[in-house]
Amino acid sequence: EPEVTQTPSHQVTQMGQEVILRCVPISNHLYFYWYRQILGQKVEFLVSFYNNEISEKSEIFDDQFSVERPDGSNFTLKIRSTKLEDSAMYFCASRERPGARYEQYFGPGTRLTVT
Amino acid sequence: AQKVTQAQTEISVVEKEDVTLDCVYETRDTTYYLFWYKQPPSGELVFLIRRNSFDEQNEISGRYSWNFQKSTSSFNFTITASQVVDSAVYFCALSEVSGGSNYKLTFGKGTLLTVNP
Repeated sequence: EPEVTQTPSHQVTQMGQEVILRCVPISNHLYFYWYRQILGQKVEFLVSFYNNEISEKSEIFDDQFSVERPDGSNFTLKIRSTKLEDSAMYFCASRERPGARYEQYFGPGTRLTVT
Repeated sequence: AQKVTQAQTEISVVEKEDVTLDCVYETRDTTYYLFWYKQPPSGELVFLIRRNSFDEQNEISGRYSWNFQKSTSSFNFTITASQVVDSAVYFCALSEVSGGSNYKLTFGKGTLLTVNP
């Protein structure tokens, strides 16, 4: 069964460093999302991406964050200058078609630790 | 704005007990979708069920059942005869239909279910 994959599974970085989290959505999916889950807290929407542009972003998604689909398969989240509070699990998700009735498939997550 | 409330932070039961996880939501949309996800200790999010706002039929899948009541804006999840493997954090989520095709998910804070042997 097709699945969303994410790399790395765990990333440790120092405060102020740039990180890139990578996701490979399911191949025929057109809508992509990033969510964040700070340890012990709820999953929060960061950004949605469709047709090579951001379609919606949350207040969390400030200028330090960017997303890109550099080729036909990868979908990346970049944090330019990491802060301690960026430590969280980051989930990528993809959806085949528009419409909430189409399920979002989540990747296994990348745990980001900022020291 | 949409909001999901899971008032139960933690629940602990003994194996074979039935347990109900509560979910209350708020939305201004008349059309929306509700979801339940399971997050085991390994951390991934596992999709359990999706329900649209026009379908208030209860659903049963094995030991799992869901009770959607639009009148009380609730979408509760019951596990019958719980097992240790059911131990996880369970998230309820809402997706509104209006506002374009983004259909982002708004999650509740989750309920940590511990099933003891």
